[in-house]
Amino acid sequence: GAVVSQHPSWVICKSGTSVKIECRSLDFQATTMFWYRQFPKQSLMLMATSNEGSKATYEQGVEKDKFLINHASLTLSTLTVTSAHPEDSSFYICSAVGTPGRNWQFFGPGTRLTVL
Amino acid sequence: QKEVEQDPGPLSVPEGAIVSLNCTYSNSAFQYFMWYRQYSRKGPELLMYTYSSGNKEDGRFTAQVDKSSKYISLFIRDSQPSDSATYLCAMIENNAGNMLTFGGGTRLMVKP
Repeated sequence: GAVVSQHPSWVICKSGTSVKIECRSLDFQATTMFWYRQFPKQSLMLMATSNEGSKATYEQGVEKDKFLINHASLTLSTLTVTSAHPEDSSFYICSAVGTPGRNWQFFGPGTRLTVL
Repeated sequence: QKEVEQDPGPLSVPEGAIVSLNCTYSNSAFQYFMWYRQYSRKGPELLMYTYSSGNKEDGRFTAQVDKSSKYISLFIRDSQPSDSATYLCAMIENNAGNMLTFGGGTRLMVKP
């Protein structure tokens, strides 16, 4: 149990385009989902926390208009990187919480974004 | 000073060795302690979680928490090449919901 998937696993796009990344909890309902960003050889940096049906809470320094988060259902959250630029190239990972009786975050496999 | 400190490594050991991975922390409000394993270009995988001080064992893995010293450890016995990964410690404050505070991760290499 507690499986989280992400799609796509890898995406390359041109500068200026927008990219949408999906995060799904496959076998449980996720009341809360988190979005992280990870640069090579560095730890995870929390970008935002999203609760189903409400606006996401962004960490300091994360532009909410650039990184649009939608948590429309208990099993799906999306992160849209708008007007992507090369500096947005990174590994984006989501996690989900919600398994009854557990507080732990379960992570998706990540999405590697490369902006040309 | 970071809230959670972790030696980045890399730590290189021969197959079969006992591995000790450690984190120190400064926030006494941390009550839940976790170890995640992350393979290259993959998401972190929860290995172990503990709440109280003491030891918790799961197969070849033992998690140890010393709240008085603000120090946690993960021991891996009979290490295998497949254990080669980055190990992240993570902590949750008692009243912080599910918000994780991560260490920087230690890269482990187990050589055959």
